[in-house]
Amino acid sequence: EAQVTQNPRYLITVTGKKLTVTCSQNMNHEYMSWYRQDPGLGLRQIYYSMNVEVTDKGDVPEGYKVSRKEKRNFPLILESPSPNQTSLYFCASSPKGLAGYEQFFGPGTRLTVL
Amino acid sequence: AQKVTQAQTEISVVEKEDVTLDCVYETRDTTYYLFWYKQPPSGELVFLIRRNSFDEQNEISGRYSWNFQKSSSSFNFTITASQVVDSAVYFCALSGTERNAGNMLTFGGGTRLMVKP
Repeated sequence: EAQVTQNPRYLITVTGKKLTVTCSQNMNHEYMSWYRQDPGLGLRQIYYSMNVEVTDKGDVPEGYKVSRKEKRNFPLILESPSPNQTSLYFCASSPKGLAGYEQFFGPGTRLTVL
Repeated sequence: AQKVTQAQTEISVVEKEDVTLDCVYETRDTTYYLFWYKQPPSGELVFLIRRNSFDEQNEISGRYSWNFQKSSSSFNFTITASQVVDSAVYFCALSGTERNAGNMLTFGGGTRLMVKP
């Protein structure tokens, strides 16, 4: 089944404890991205990757890191999480990094930073 | 700058009522794409429709219909004869080349629709 998977789905952590949220897609998509969803703000892009080893900042990159060493994986790293990073996170993939291609979203990761 | 505005933060209707969710967008692109997504209480994002800027024909899919008005930069979504299962948060989104960020989606703030029995 074609899908985007994220792990973990739920995470409660404490300020400053490094964490990684994994994202994997099995559709051989070139484009992957991370969004965070906050009430009233919709989803905002954190980072994106046009292809392997090519990543760039989205609208809200502060406090996050990403890497794209393999085409299928795009982990999101929070080196020193803070309470303002409490949010619902979505990973997405798309066949190409061109406007208009449908984005396939993962199930979401709900992160709470205490 | 690209922007999507969903002015209605919350709408409450009684089952079988028709409801329209508004979406207004801003972009400098001449070619762009508009999307609607549904987020049910379970939290996942469900793709509903994609429309490109050159196709102003309205679309109907069952009880769902979309009205694209380029002249007023709007892409409104109507649910006819609403049902309790339509209760969800609905997002309008825009994708274009203005931001030079690949296939980035610019989302509106979302409209929470509650359909009461």
